[in-house]
Formats: sequence, C-alpha cells, structure tokens
Amino acid sequence: DIVMTQSPDSLPVSLGERATINCKSSQSVLSSSRNKNFLGWYQQKPGQPPKLLIYWASTRESGVPDRFSGSGSGTDFTLTISSLQAEDVAVYYCQQYYSRPITFGQGTRLEIK
Amino acid sequence: QVQLQQSGPGLVKPSQTLSLTCAISGDNVSSNSAAWNWIRQSPSRGLEWLGRTYYRSPWFNEYTASVKSRITINADTSKNQFSLQLTSVTPDETAVYYCARSVRGFTINWFDLWGQGTLVTVSS
Repeated sequence: DIVMTQSPDSLPVSLGERATINCKSSQSVLSSSRNKNFLGWYQQKPGQPPKLLIYWASTRESGVPDRFSGSGSGTDFTLTISSLQAEDVAVYYCQQYYSRPITFGQGTRLEIK
Repeated sequence: QVQLQQSGPGLVKPSQTLSLTCAISGDNVSSNSAAWNWIRQSPSRGLEWLGRTYYRSPWFNEYTASVKSRITINADTSKNQFSLQLTSVTPDETAVYYCARSVRGFTINWFDLWGQGTLVTVSS
C-alpha cells in the first residue's frame, strides 16, 4: 500500500498569511504514460464530510477559491493557501488514487495563530 | 444541485449487519460518468475507502481487500440510490460512514461529492 504522510500535524497561521501543507507518498504517484500525478486534496470542517479542493495534484475543483493551490510531483506535494481566511480553519487531507488501495494522509489541522 | 442523502441505523450489534442507503438527487445512479462509493472515517483507521459500484451492463462492483468477503454495494435504479451492507461487524468498525461520488474510470479517482455522513456505533 502507498503510505501518505502529511506534515505538519498541526499548523497555526495568522490571518492573511500563507499556509503550506506537505504530503509525501511512499512511492511515486506520477503516471509517466499520462503525465499526471494521481493526487487530490480535501478540506474537512467539524461535523462535515470532506470537500474536494484539488485533483491531479494541481487542478482546482470548480468553485474553490483561487487562494488554494496544489503543486508537486512524484512523491512530494504541497497545498498552499495564499492568504488565510477565518473560514479556512479545518483539517486537510491528501489522497492518492494511483494504485489500490487508494489511501489518505493522516490529516493536517490548520488553525488561526 | 446534486446531493447525496444517507439513511440507516446508527447502532449495530457486534456480529450483525450494517446497512446504509444513499439517495441521489440531481444525478443518476446509472450515469455513464460516475461511480458510487462508500468510505468510512474513524480516529483509529482514518479515511478508508470501502468499495464502489457503477453501471457497465451489468453493474460493476469493486471492494477493498480488507472487507471484500463481508461487503456488498448495490444500486437501485427505481429509487435512484445505492446501498452498503457490511456483515459480521466488530466494535472497531465504529466509524462515520460516507457515501461519495467519483469520476468513473479504471482508477478509483477523487471524490467530488459526499453524503452528510452517518455515525455507526457497533456495540451491544
């Protein structure tokens, strides 16, 4: 199984500042034939299901604010929030769908400093 | 607006069968582009994909190895819904269970729409 490891576990950031969450996979999730990274990012607020933010590592889901961006390739990925808003307080998860079983990271809790 | 609405009991006894239903509005369970999934979340297991179904004449089902012998996902086209049955549950399968939609394909892909979640407690 591909193990997804996120860092940090908890991230305090001031309002308006940049937040950076990392995700590392135990093996590459890049398909050379398709030239795509099989990685997604989700946001989960308390009492709610996860919400899709990013797929193919960097494609923003429709309706997601452009302050959210995804980058990286192979085994190392980053979710960046360019200017933290109060409503961005949540737990963030990465997910690989390159191989079965699909796996999620353990989550990063983003909070206001 | 596409929505998934879950229903089912929140308490199941050990060794019994967990049954949940996910009603779809705004999309079709027989869609050519969507697959319908069940995912659970618990503090001990994190987010865990359980399985999916989609229409491919006949229906295609795929399950994760850890529950493959105990799980069934069925679609009901007359009610535009799909269901989860998990037999012989144990207390460590206490979790929030979600239904979710994904883009259909060889890979399981990402989940762009989720149900509200059902906390299922396995306890006597």
